[in-house]
Amino acid sequence: DVKVTQSSRYLVKRTGEKVFLECVQDMDHENMFWYRQDPGLGLRLIYFSYDVKMKEKGDIPEGYSVSREKKERFSLILESASTNQTSMYLCASMRHDDSGNTIYFGEGSWLTVV
Amino acid sequence: GDSVTQMEGPVTLSEEACLTINCTYTATGYPSLFWYVQYPGEGLQLLLKATKADDKGSNKGFEATYRKETTSFHLEKGSVQVSDSAVYFCVVDRGSTLGRLYFGRGTQLTVWP
Repeated sequence: DVKVTQSSRYLVKRTGEKVFLECVQDMDHENMFWYRQDPGLGLRLIYFSYDVKMKEKGDIPEGYSVSREKKERFSLILESASTNQTSMYLCASMRHDDSGNTIYFGEGSWLTVV
Repeated sequence: GDSVTQMEGPVTLSEEACLTINCTYTATGYPSLFWYVQYPGEGLQLLLKATKADDKGSNKGFEATYRKETTSFHLEKGSVQVSDSAVYFCVVDRGSTLGRLYFGRGTQLTVWP
């Protein structure tokens, strides 16, 4: 089974802190994604990566950056956390084959910025 | 641009009731369509998928048929259970190798015993 692991399930950080959210997948997928999920807004794409060291902005990249130094790991970075970044963050990786794309999600990281 | 419109919740049903969650989409070409489910406190899991017109995806008693003529992919279940309580997302994938997905806003389903 594909496993997407987000190392931190619950975090509380102070305004202005630098925050790292780590995501690891074990299936050699090339594509990985970071979303945030907020009530009433559904899932919104922050950044995605289609290869090592390659990244693309999603719909809401402001205030975030990412790092993909190894294929299995995709990190989301909040350079200076703010209260409006309190949210649930979901990492995903994608398998692409003859039947199309299938996305696998991690269990989510709940971030509270105080 | 692409968009996904799904029925707003919350939806509250008694056990064994019938469920329909409507989903319509706008997209060019021939996208793949998915339903994902999110149980409380968890990430999203793939529930079912359909990759071409008239395909029917099914899993755990849930079904959805890819209707290209009406650009719809409604989720149905004949008899819901308490354990089906979750948030359901309709998702469109245009099939690019980049893997951009387009999500509906989610529908909260609560099933009472």
